[in-house]
Amino acid sequence: NAGVTQTPKFRILKIGQSMTLQCTQDMNHNYMYWYRQDPGMGLKLIYYSVGAGITDKGEVPNGYNVSRSTTEDFPLRLELAAPSQTSVYFCASSYLMTGGFPYNEQFFGPGTRLTVL
Amino acid sequence: KNEVEQSPQNLTAQEGEFITINCSYSVGISALHWLQQHPGGGIVSLFMLSSGKKKHGRLIATINIQEKHSSLHITASHPRDSAVYICAAESPGNSGGSNYKLTFGKGTLLTVNP
Repeated sequence: NAGVTQTPKFRILKIGQSMTLQCTQDMNHNYMYWYRQDPGMGLKLIYYSVGAGITDKGEVPNGYNVSRSTTEDFPLRLELAAPSQTSVYFCASSYLMTGGFPYNEQFFGPGTRLTVL
Repeated sequence: KNEVEQSPQNLTAQEGEFITINCSYSVGISALHWLQQHPGGGIVSLFMLSSGKKKHGRLIATINIQEKHSSLHITASHPRDSAVYICAAESPGNSGGSNYKLTFGKGTLLTVNP
């Protein structure tokens, strides 16, 4: 299993450009997450999905959009990039059963370092 | 909303030293997670615990539910232990099961010198 893969690893955007960060998992996990990590700060949840076709906002969703058309893929779209979106983005996945699994062990991708100039 | 605080923010040790990283949280949880982020950036789960103590190799995690506090210990530290260690609180879900959301601390940067 490749686990959680993310592309690209690095990207530099100009203000106002758009891009999509790709995330794929091959573990048949139902839950997927997008986080951003800023220097000196804890991981912040941007969006999450509980299954194909179902997404919801996290703590910091402004400026981002997501979709989940398949179990495997959970792309994150940045529209009109701004310098405040300079960050490292992590995708993660986990498997939670109906009624709740004891612990939500999340598996992380390697991250995408994005700079907006 | 759960607040998660870690201390210290930075820790430098000599090889072989015993290391302790602390984590406190503000509200009740269903589990406390410890994760490791290596200099290359990848994040891996080390422990998930809701009571007592867990041990894996030279790593030990403990939790005190009453005091809302957890510690991560590293015995006989080694330069390869150099990383950021992150604790995260998992809050109980409405049905009593797991909540899908984790609240993360800011991390502790550990540097172990040879």
